[in-house]
Amino acid sequence: GENVEQHPSTLSVQEGDSAVIKCTYSDSASNYFPWYKQELGKRPQLIIDIRSNVGEKKDQRIAVTLNKTAKHFSLHITETQPEDSAVYFCAASKELGNQFYFGTGTSLTVIP
Amino acid sequence: DAGITQSPRHKVTETGTPVTLRCHQTENHRYMYWYRQDPGHGLRLIHYSYGVKDTDKGEVSDGYSVSRSKTEDFLLTLESATSSQTSVYFCAIKFSGGAYEQYFGPGTRLTVT
Repeated sequence: GENVEQHPSTLSVQEGDSAVIKCTYSDSASNYFPWYKQELGKRPQLIIDIRSNVGEKKDQRIAVTLNKTAKHFSLHITETQPEDSAVYFCAASKELGNQFYFGTGTSLTVIP
Repeated sequence: DAGITQSPRHKVTETGTPVTLRCHQTENHRYMYWYRQDPGHGLRLIHYSYGVKDTDKGEVSDGYSVSRSKTEDFLLTLESATSSQTSVYFCAIKFSGGAYEQYFGPGTRLTVT
């Protein structure tokens, strides 16, 4: 099956700086890569996703990049704000498959 | 919230007792999932369903069973709860028909004493 690794496990940045979280995957057939944000005590919420026919996708201050050759994808958050503090999870799936494989999460702290 | 609810939201039970968690959705999604979340492990798939009476195992299915007799309900049963099953359980649905996003329910915190 698929194996998704996520780094770093914890990340602290100053408010206004950028944050980058990286994930690698093992199954070259995976072609859908979502990112979730989970605030303390809440459910994971989808914040952005990318499909393998696209190399980069942006939504305001967040962006995701995908390198299919190297089998890794990254989440970029610019101009970080305290409300960005949360745990972020990456995942990999096949669009015609049934299962999602999650990374172990990155705890992001934005220091005011 | 994609119309997903979970019940109960919190439960404390004793080792050896059976426990059933319910996931209910109102939007007629075909795919439903049960995950457990533990520190350091992220979200791990227990079982999933791709239709009424159609289910399959995930990576951590031992000690768990599921049933789906109606499209809107997906039940997770711990036949004989153990302390290692203390966790937060999330139900999820997946959109289909061209969109593949997965959305989560609010979660159930289960403590087995």
